[in-house]
Amino acid sequence: DTGVSQNPRHKITKRGQNVTFRCDPISEHNRLYWYRQTLGQGPEFLTYFQNEAQLEKSRLLSDRFSAERPKGSFSTLEIQRTEQGDSAMYLCASSLASAGSGGTFLAYNEQFFGPGTRLTVL
Amino acid sequence: KNQVEQSPQSLIILEGKNCTLQCNYTVSPFSNLRWYKQDTGRGPVSLTIMTFSENTKSNGRYTATLDADTKQSSLHITASQLSDSASYICVVSAGSGTYKYIFGTGTRLKVLA
Repeated sequence: DTGVSQNPRHKITKRGQNVTFRCDPISEHNRLYWYRQTLGQGPEFLTYFQNEAQLEKSRLLSDRFSAERPKGSFSTLEIQRTEQGDSAMYLCASSLASAGSGGTFLAYNEQFFGPGTRLTVL
Repeated sequence: KNQVEQSPQSLIILEGKNCTLQCNYTVSPFSNLRWYKQDTGRGPVSLTIMTFSENTKSNGRYTATLDADTKQSSLHITASQLSDSASYICVVSAGSGTYKYIFGTGTRLKVLA
């Protein structure tokens, strides 16, 4: 399977514990994104990387959240001192951002999503 | 403020029937609009993408329309199947080549036998 993969698929933890999620993007994709999705809502942007550089973080990403992409390939999202409000689906997506010439410019920046990690904080 | 609104919030139809989902957006500058299908507990999967100059695009039984003047889009599903039961999310990108996706809250579709 050459799509975006995420592990674990489900995580149940007690309030106050730390959790870490992993995302493996499509291999040639240079951009990687993290989103959070709560029930009945669309995904909300958390942060994104171009290669290993973290270029933007949402205000939703409190100081308890940290994301890394050390070698520009897989990424991890860590939540410290989890709270019940952190319960959500955490989605990872990747895309290939590149410019062609003239009419072939890849302006679409198509994001391909992984299956998500469902976090439940008790 | 950039926003994407979808209606209805939820919809129940019988297998074989057609349905139309609506998306209104206030995103500037507009780059492109996508419709995603999201099965329960899964990540979204792209159905269609349209740029400013495109009015309609089809993907099998899914047909999306775009009116850039009124900033409205619709997704029409023909001859619905049980497997169409999912959330359908409208996503608008602002600017050119931007990574910024602005998501709607989705329409939850349930197809009954």
